[in-house]
Amino acid sequence: DTEVTQTPKHLVMGMTNKKSLKCEQHMGHRAMYWYKQKAKKPPELMFVYSYEKLSINESVPSRFSPECPNSSLLNLHLHALQPEDSALYLCASSQAWTNEKLFFGSGTQLSVL
Amino acid sequence: QQQVKQSPQSLIVQKGGISIINCAYENTAFDYFPWYQQFPGKGPALLIAIRPDVSEKKEGRFTISFNKSAKQFSLHIMDSQPGDSATYFCAARGNTGTASKLTFGTGTRLQVTL
Repeated sequence: DTEVTQTPKHLVMGMTNKKSLKCEQHMGHRAMYWYKQKAKKPPELMFVYSYEKLSINESVPSRFSPECPNSSLLNLHLHALQPEDSALYLCASSQAWTNEKLFFGSGTQLSVL
Repeated sequence: QQQVKQSPQSLIVQKGGISIINCAYENTAFDYFPWYQQFPGKGPALLIAIRPDVSEKKEGRFTISFNKSAKQFSLHIMDSQPGDSATYFCAARGNTGTASKLTFGTGTRLQVTL
């Protein structure tokens, strides 16, 4: 199984809502990532978890809250988002933080109204 | 020093032709150079990657050429097919410090016409 599975595929939320994005991998990877991608732009790194500990936070606003409950799961909790946060949110994993080969999920297309 | 510059922004190639996408980097700490392919509504997928100790790597119709002295690398897609129509991102990564995060180029939208 070489898949990174993300749910939901699409999400529409209001600025006062709380929602969560979920990511799962069963490749035994110990590094997991959240990226944000705006249309026609490259992915931008948000967070990195290594061995279930947050190792990189790219100065992401606190309305985005990551969580890594175990080595296979990664969540991104969303609260009080702004319309400019509308984007494709991508989860990725790699064998370890030092391993270059990233496997990306298909993403969650988020629209904030 | 973290930048990876990619060109062209978009590219139209006839079926059977050669698609060429170029990237240039500044940070000499980069030592891994992957190319990602992304279809609409999907996440990027690793296509092919190279390290600076070789000047060329070929996998099927996809070839990376690497020029360490010029700090440039390029992707060549031979016999381009309509199914190759996608956005391609070059990227670079090093082993230490701030270079250890994957830095993406700006992307090239490739359209292969019949």
